[in-house]
Amino acid sequence: DAGVTQSPTHLIKTRGQQVTLRCSPISGHKSVSWYQQVLGQGPQFIFQYYEKEERGRGNFPDRFSARQFPNYSSELNVNALLLGDSALYLCASSPAGHFTGELFFGEGSRLTVL
Amino acid sequence: AQSVTQLGSHVSVSEGALVLLRCNYSSSVPPYLFWYVQYPNQGLQLLLKYTTGATLVKGINGFEAEFKKSETSFHLTKPSAHMSDAAEYFCAVTDAGGTSYGKLTFGQGTILTVHP
Repeated sequence: DAGVTQSPTHLIKTRGQQVTLRCSPISGHKSVSWYQQVLGQGPQFIFQYYEKEERGRGNFPDRFSARQFPNYSSELNVNALLLGDSALYLCASSPAGHFTGELFFGEGSRLTVL
Repeated sequence: AQSVTQLGSHVSVSEGALVLLRCNYSSSVPPYLFWYVQYPNQGLQLLLKYTTGATLVKGINGFEAEFKKSETSFHLTKPSAHMSDAAEYFCAVTDAGGTSYGKLTFGQGTILTVHP
């Protein structure tokens, strides 16, 4: 069975640009979460979507937005990129609405902002 | 608010030696606790989790962890390290009420190096 897939795997942008990252959850999983992992740190929670609704938001500026589609795939958008946005962006899916903590992670999209 | 502190950003052991990775948490509500492992250029994989019941939990690859409420700790151990255990390990916490909606709070991570 396919795991969580993310695209693109690597990308380079310049300051001020916008980026869209994509995630396809495991088949049957309705919840998608996004995390930012800066080099040398643990992942930081950005968003969680369940049944196409935002259910949780971390401490990130409004430049970060996301959405979930009817097929449960998701996009993360970041506008007006800053150097500090350079990170590995991880998508994770889980099957249930009641969150038990087990997340299934993709391999991430590595964003470099120059 | 919840937080996780992993003591030691780098741990080095010899193959066959005991692995001990330390994790302390802070939570105002009963926690669910997790250890995830990240191999180079890969996403995170769940090693084990504590939700309710037995405080000693066993995970994959011979790892186990013990939830000690009085010490607010959830240390990860493995009796005998293998070269393939070399990776970065993350301790994480969420609230047991299930209202955190996909939010895990992770520690800073501990890089485990295994020497032959």
